[in-house]
Amino acid sequence: DAKTTQPPSMDCAEGRAANLPCNHSTISGNEYVYWYRQIHSQGPQYIIHGLKNNETNEMASLIITEDRKSSTLILPHATLRDTAVYYCIVRANTNAGKSTFGDGTTLTVKP
Amino acid sequence: GAGVSQSPRYKVAKRGQDVALRCDPISGHVSLFWYQQALGQGPEFLTYFQNEAQLDKSGLPSDRFFAERPEGSVSTLKIQRTQQEDSAVYLCASSLAGVFAEEYQETQYFGPGTRLLVL
Repeated sequence: DAKTTQPPSMDCAEGRAANLPCNHSTISGNEYVYWYRQIHSQGPQYIIHGLKNNETNEMASLIITEDRKSSTLILPHATLRDTAVYYCIVRANTNAGKSTFGDGTTLTVKP
Repeated sequence: GAGVSQSPRYKVAKRGQDVALRCDPISGHVSLFWYQQALGQGPEFLTYFQNEAQLDKSGLPSDRFFAERPEGSVSTLKIQRTQQEDSAVYLCASSLAGVFAEEYQETQYFGPGTRLLVL
């Protein structure tokens, strides 16, 4: 799986959009970009995934650059409960599904 | 509906003791994964089951680690002769499809983890 690079930490004001970047410059054509988050003392929670098109669901939006070498997770209106570690994972659809997590970005939403 | 559950939630073991960690995946989920998460780090893959078959155990750190899923549902991760470096959170995840489906995009649902402390 391609390696991902994320900033170790970010802050965001409550109610504002949180934009979390991820670099995956060695991504292959069959690899998807997944985002998970982990709130303290819980297991990781799936947020969203995509291949090359931008995606949106009830939790977030995922913007993938045209060359697919980077992506941004957008939480449109961050709340205090969005404080968590956010993991960007690149995973092939044929590698037995195992996910390679990095150290993620610790997002702190402040009132 | 019930999510992935794990037990015990916390386990303290003396060095050299054997431990067994249990995972109850979501009912009907074909795929089951075990991950190890050290303090301050992201989860690291240990092993994968499709039904009762262990198809990938490349992440198991040593032969002291053993996992099974005999009936294709509940799984147990066993660690023999525990060492202090085994202290970590052990996460279990399941997903509906088998990963060798043509387009595996399945979401993995994680349990809360078992926090193991080896003294």
